[in-house]
Amino acid sequence: AQSVTQLDSQVPVFEEAPVELRCNYSSSVSVYLFWYVQYPNQGLQLLLKYLSGSTLVESINGFEAEFNKSQTSFHLRKPSVHISDTAEYFCAVASGTGFQKLVFGTGTRLLVSP
Amino acid sequence: DTEVTQTPKHLVMGMTNKKSLKCEQHMGHRAMYWYKQKAKKPPELMFVYSYEKLSINESVPSRFSPECPNSSLLNLHLHALQPEDSALYLCASSQDWLAGLEQFFGPGTRLTVL
Repeated sequence: AQSVTQLDSQVPVFEEAPVELRCNYSSSVSVYLFWYVQYPNQGLQLLLKYLSGSTLVESINGFEAEFNKSQTSFHLRKPSVHISDTAEYFCAVASGTGFQKLVFGTGTRLLVSP
Repeated sequence: DTEVTQTPKHLVMGMTNKKSLKCEQHMGHRAMYWYKQKAKKPPELMFVYSYEKLSINESVPSRFSPECPNSSLLNLHLHALQPEDSALYLCASSQDWLAGLEQFFGPGTRLTVL
């Protein structure tokens, strides 16, 4: 069975500092990888996804993630965070064999302070 | 329109009540999902509807009864719930029920069972 590990439950950073949120997955088949963000009292929004092709994927608001097959990782990075980036970030994986069942990690709370 | 709407936003019910949660999307998506999210936890899949037919029931207790009246609507009927069922209930949809397709989430219904 697939699993997703987000080792950091909470990451505190100062505004304009770089940040990396870690995600590791376990799967023996091809996978699709996603990062979702959840702001307080809201649903989940897709931040970015890896399906195939270039291993570096970017979002419109400055986040990027790199798919590393050998390390089974899909870490999320941003070179300079804003206060408004404070949210819960979930990494998720779906098997590349037909029907989609998303398996979520336990989430990382990013806390950006001034 | 890339929005999934859910009503009500909040719901408080007793253990003997019968209530329903509603979800609607007008993106022409043919797969719809119900998730349950407890505080500080990732979403857990409950049900998947594909082309208006129930495709996955993740061993959810029968006090939760899903219904898909048409391709745009998804209901979750609640009866004789327990306090531990209190959670955020998220609806999502995707173009089809295939791996790799983005799931669009609604804002959720926050349910409290007294």
